[in-house]
Amino acid sequence: AQTVTQSQPEMSVQEAETVTLSCTYDTSESDYYLFWYKQPPSRQMILVIRQEAYKQQNATENRFSVNFQKAAKSFSLKISDSQLGDAAMYFCAYRDSNYQLIWGAGTKLIIKP
Amino acid sequence: GAVVSQHPSWVICKSGTSVKIECRSLDFQATTMFWYRQFPKQSLMLMATSNEGSKATYEQGVEKDKFLINHASLTLSTLTVTSAHPEDSSFYICSANPLAGEAYNEQFFGPGTRLTVL
Repeated sequence: AQTVTQSQPEMSVQEAETVTLSCTYDTSESDYYLFWYKQPPSRQMILVIRQEAYKQQNATENRFSVNFQKAAKSFSLKISDSQLGDAAMYFCAYRDSNYQLIWGAGTKLIIKP
Repeated sequence: GAVVSQHPSWVICKSGTSVKIECRSLDFQATTMFWYRQFPKQSLMLMATSNEGSKATYEQGVEKDKFLINHASLTLSTLTVTSAHPEDSSFYICSANPLAGEAYNEQFFGPGTRLTVL
């Protein structure tokens, strides 16, 4: 069975600085999708970025980028120029062949003004 | 695009009553919808997978007679918590997987429903 591990329960970063959130996963599949979701205090889940495993190029979305290391089964999220609005819980998720999402435990990101 | 609504956003009920939560995909059709439960400061726990026109598939440990799921159309799934008890109090989130299109591989989430059982 697939598993997703986020080893950082909480991270903090100074506003305008860069922070990296870690995620590792375990799977025997070769083709899959990985996602980072953000859950602010409103609790609405918001897709931050996704990565298709067959694509070698790391996904980027404005200030958000990933470092996808398929062989190492690592999928970290880098947030550049951190803003106060980035404060939230961040969840890493793996999509299995049944389209179900396997979730990490989450990382609480604190932005220091 | 790809908006999912949930109704109600919050509900308080007495122990022993039943509560229905609706999940609608507003601008797309969804063959598959998912129901999650989230406890404070925890990750999402998948309760069941709902496919239009067929019975839902429940995760291990989730009582299907207590959490009734109906997916009657390609835009609506409902979760009914029957004979609710205080331990059923939680935040319930639904998500929907588009039938086709560019976002086929994504899940879009509703805003959640906070259930409090007194």
